[in-house]
Amino acid sequence: DGGITQSPKYLFRKEGQNVTLSCEQNLNHDAMYWYRQDPGQGLRLIYYSQIVNDFQKGDIAEGYSVSREKKESFPLTVTSAQKNPTAFYLCASSQRLYNEQFFGPGTRLTVL
Amino acid sequence: RKEVEQDPGPFNVPEGATVAFNCTYSNSASQSFFWYRQDCRKEPKLLMSVYSSGNEDGRFTAQLNRASQYISLLIRDSKLSDSATYLCVVGAASGTNAGKSTFGDGTTLTVKP
Repeated sequence: DGGITQSPKYLFRKEGQNVTLSCEQNLNHDAMYWYRQDPGQGLRLIYYSQIVNDFQKGDIAEGYSVSREKKESFPLTVTSAQKNPTAFYLCASSQRLYNEQFFGPGTRLTVL
Repeated sequence: RKEVEQDPGPFNVPEGATVAFNCTYSNSASQSFFWYRQDCRKEPKLLMSVYSSGNEDGRFTAQLNRASQYISLLIRDSKLSDSATYLCVVGAASGTNAGKSTFGDGTTLTVKP
């Protein structure tokens, strides 16, 4: 089955620790994205990548980092510099930028 | 002003009702438009793309008005299962958001028996 996978579904970390969220797609899409969603709020773009080895900051990139070494993978690291990391993190991909995006099931991160 | 704006609702309608949502966008260079549905604590899922000529998928009709810079979603004969948050998405080829898609904050629909 083609699709996007994110792992883990739930993640708990202590304050001050870095944590990496996984995102893999087998749709052969060029573009990939990371969003953050807080309760009752809309999606906010963290980072996006148009092609392998290239990525751009979104609207709320501070405290986050990404890499795009393979077309299929776009991991997101939430660093200790992110002041309020507890949120629902969604990864998406699309054939090209501004084409329709397809989302993974998301990772709920709770920082204790 | 937000680049993509939606009425947050909530819209509370009885089963069988017709309900319409609007979404306005500020970038006149926008060229791709979509409606997504998001259930509580789930990921957004593509509902339909919006084309210049308008398009229909069963009970759902989407329209684009470039002159007034808005898109709309009409749901006819509402079902309980239509209860969700509906997100509009606008993609721009140029301007401040060139190459990116911008999501609205969503409109919440509750269909009641």
